[in-house]
Amino acid sequence: KNQVEQSPQSLIILEGKNCTLQCNYTVSPFSNLRWYKQDTGRGPVSLTIMTFSENTKSNGRYTATLDADTKQSSLHITASQLSDSASYICVVRSTGGFKTIFGAGTRLFVKA
Amino acid sequence: GAVVSQHPSRVICKSGTSVKIECRSLDFQATTMFWYRQFPKQSLMLMATSNEGSKATYEQGVEKDKFLINHASLTLSTLTVTSAHPEDSSFYICSASPSGGAEFFGPGTRLTVL
Repeated sequence: KNQVEQSPQSLIILEGKNCTLQCNYTVSPFSNLRWYKQDTGRGPVSLTIMTFSENTKSNGRYTATLDADTKQSSLHITASQLSDSASYICVVRSTGGFKTIFGAGTRLFVKA
Repeated sequence: GAVVSQHPSRVICKSGTSVKIECRSLDFQATTMFWYRQFPKQSLMLMATSNEGSKATYEQGVEKDKFLINHASLTLSTLTVTSAHPEDSSFYICSASPSGGAEFFGPGTRLTVL
């Protein structure tokens, strides 16, 4: 069964600190993995897109890693800011029928 | 970058009425558009996939006669919630995909049915 599991479910950190969000998936065959940031009441915004051959991809203070062998990905946020408070969603796309599977998201709260 | 707009951003309607939500790709042609629904504190749930000029493909459990989807052009798709009821109140998000696999999301539409 194709699944995407994210951890933790929610996270509270102090402004300026780093954090890492996890995404494990069982989707097969694998096409790509994307991380999105979704502010409350807004549509998701793409942070990174990674294909099978990519191990690391950065977008400013966001760095995503992908281990296609263990089917794990992480999103590392450096020097967090209050505006980083949002839900972070891991999305895995399968080439089989072009199915897209969404994780439940990690709710990040950055406190001053 | 690719921009997807939705209109309206927020709508309140009476039970039994129909509501139309528009999704537009502003600077690219979208061969495929997706419609999602999101309940509070939950992730997006795909409702249907529409390809320009053809009938939409609905996910299991989504009533096609209640959620009418029209993808009349490469830049516009509409979702009509017919005979809306309070349980249809939700956040509806569309996304558009040009050929190539990328998916760009709209800002969402908050529907409240009284």
